Amino acid sequence: GAGVSQTPSNKVTEKGKYVELRCDPISGHTALYWYRQSLGQGPEFLIYFQGTGAADDSGLPNDRFFAVRPEGSVSTLKIQRTERGDSAVYLCASSPTKTGELFFGEGSRLTVL
Amino acid sequence: AQKVTQAQTEISVVEKEDVTLDCVYETRDTTYYLFWYKQPPSGELVFLIRRNSFDEQNEISGRYSWNFQKSTSSFNFTITASQVVDSAVYFCALVPGRRALTFGSGTRLQVQP
Repeated sequence: GAGVSQTPSNKVTEKGKYVELRCDPISGHTALYWYRQSLGQGPEFLIYFQGTGAADDSGLPNDRFFAVRPEGSVSTLKIQRTERGDSAVYLCASSPTKTGELFFGEGSRLTVL
Repeated sequence: AQKVTQAQTEISVVEKEDVTLDCVYETRDTTYYLFWYKQPPSGELVFLIRRNSFDEQNEISGRYSWNFQKSTSSFNFTITASQVVDSAVYFCALVPGRRALTFGSGTRLQVQP
């Protein structure tokens, strides 16, 4: 497809489990972003990739969160030892440049029981 | 530090009324970009406009218009003759310098028929 694709769309897991969320950006977009959105709030920045490298990971809340983009295209957000407070919609976006328009996916809704 | 403030959490208007959504930002960078995004009930964020810090010219696109004033650090968004389809959460956002996009907390707009 032409847009940003995120899988899974919904994930329910138990506290303490490991979770991976995948983002497939628009082809050719070098910038890729992860955001987290809790109910009633604005998207909260997590990490930004320029190519394969994390240009800014200052938004990752703690060391349980990690993201990779090994070939400069698909990215995976990894959450270890999930906690109930991790429940949110995780949004991925890509852009042809850092200051350009961000194209968002539909998000992955994570629920930690 | 960079910050985006949307003081109006929720606005309700009747169809055909004009409505203005306020956005105030803070940044120490002299070069920055401002954005507005729309998040309809379906959840996917939709880009509306991008403005750089050197371009204070106001912009009109159909029923939408934006008023950028550096003197008051504001980037307000007006919808003229609102329609029910305008009902959504609207986010103002800032790209300051080299850092990633920072969103405000959003304003929920309800347009009643």
